[in-house]
Amino acid sequence: SAVISQKPSRDICQRGTSLTIQCQVDSQVTMMFWYRQQPGQSLTLIATANQGSEATYESGFVIDKFPISRPNLTFSTLTVSNMSPEDSSIYLCSANRGPKAFFGQGTRLTVV
Amino acid sequence: AQTVTQSQPEMSVQEAETVTLSCTYDTSENNYYLFWYKQPPSRQMILVIRQEAYKQQNATENRFSVNFQKAAKSFSLKISDSQLGDTAMYFCAFMKDSGGSNYKLTFGKGTLLTVNP
Repeated sequence: SAVISQKPSRDICQRGTSLTIQCQVDSQVTMMFWYRQQPGQSLTLIATANQGSEATYESGFVIDKFPISRPNLTFSTLTVSNMSPEDSSIYLCSANRGPKAFFGQGTRLTVV
Repeated sequence: AQTVTQSQPEMSVQEAETVTLSCTYDTSENNYYLFWYKQPPSRQMILVIRQEAYKQQNATENRFSVNFQKAAKSFSLKISDSQLGDTAMYFCAFMKDSGGSNYKLTFGKGTLLTVNP
């Protein structure tokens, strides 16, 4: 298994500001994934982060709103930019050991 | 694109009884994996069980087992001897076997399971 540490676990932010979420994996992984879980909803993939290249974004998500960094094989950050109340969600990072995905503890973001 | 459908938004079961959660999926892929994840109120996503599409034998993990019907594209989860700690949201998920490392997941909408004492 892989252990993924994600922080912050929760935050309350003012609209118009930005929040950066960090994920640290206990070993090297090729791909990391960022998901959004809106209140009472399922998980939706935001983007896939590969070390050394730009992240690949899913339909409906853009780099200006959700910039991602992947400086090495154990770490990634997701920034939620220019936040609005609609960005209030749980954000989860994920990494794989082959075809088995492991998740961070999630970040509960509330935008007021 | 793949889709995953969970038709039961909520279910409840008495402690020690058996419950089955339903999941269907749609894909044109032949090689893939199916998963059930559990999300308790702590928000942590916990892998319950995994099924490889090429395997005919249904996966089993202790009290958890699946009924995988590839032709019908059905993947149900059976929880035996339900325990209070099984109370959680359960997500069915699909992963295409890309043969590399780009193993992204497509999730169903989830089923909220409540185990009653």
